[in-house]
Amino acid sequence: QSVLTQPPSVSAAPGQKVTISCSGSSSNIGKNYVSWYQQLPGTAPKLLIYESNKRPSGIPDRFSASMSGTSATLGIAGLQTGDEADYYCGTWDDSLNGGVFGTGTKVTVL
Amino acid sequence: QITLKESGPAVVKPTQTLTLTCTFSGFSFSETGVGVGWIRQPPGQALEWLALIHSRNDKRYSPSLKKRLSIARDTSRNQVVLTLTDMDPMDTATYYCARRPPGFYSFDWWGQGTLVTVSA
Repeated sequence: QSVLTQPPSVSAAPGQKVTISCSGSSSNIGKNYVSWYQQLPGTAPKLLIYESNKRPSGIPDRFSASMSGTSATLGIAGLQTGDEADYYCGTWDDSLNGGVFGTGTKVTVL
Repeated sequence: QITLKESGPAVVKPTQTLTLTCTFSGFSFSETGVGVGWIRQPPGQALEWLALIHSRNDKRYSPSLKKRLSIARDTSRNQVVLTLTDMDPMDTATYYCARRPPGFYSFDWWGQGTLVTVSA
C-alpha cells in the first residue's frame, strides 16, 4: 500500500520531455527529501535523484527534479528509448517512522 | 566498489518463517550513519519499504508488517538478516537489500534481488 501517488504511465516521442508527479503529505514529502529511482525491466532499482534534486555521479543532466509543498516532480528531457522503465519516488515518513515509495510510473517512448 | 547480494530460499510454505541474508562489501557499519534496508516488490507491483538498520543498531520497520518482521546485523560478517514470520502467498515478491548512505534518506546501492514464492 503506497503512501505516495504517481500517475500509472506517461509517454512521449523520442527527444521530447516527460514529467512524473509524486504526491504525498505533510508527514513525508512535506518534511523530507525525495529520491527518485529508475527500474529497467527485470533489474533492480537504480538511484536517479537524491535530496530532491541532486544527481549521483554518472546520471545525465537530462534527469531533473523539483519539489513544492507536498509534491515532487521528476523530469526527463531528450527522451531516449533506453529511458523506458518504471520510475519510483521515495522518501521518509515521520508519522510512520519508516520509508515510503510511490505507486510507480511506467515511461513509454513512442 | 560497493556490492550487496541477497540470499535465501526461493520457495517457502504458508505459515513458515522466511529468513533472508544480505551480504555486502565496500562499506561497513563502522561508518557512522550508514544503513542497510530491505525493500520488496510483488510481481508486477510497486516497491514496498520493509525495514532499515543503522550503524548504531537503530531499527525501523514498516508499521503494517512490524509484528512479523525482524532485522538484525552481523558486523563481523558484513551481513544483515531479515526474518518475516507467518508467510502468506501475498508475501510472494522479489526482496531487495540496499545501502542507505550516511546522512541521506535514499538507497544508493541495491542488490540484484531474490524472488521468494510462497506456495504449498
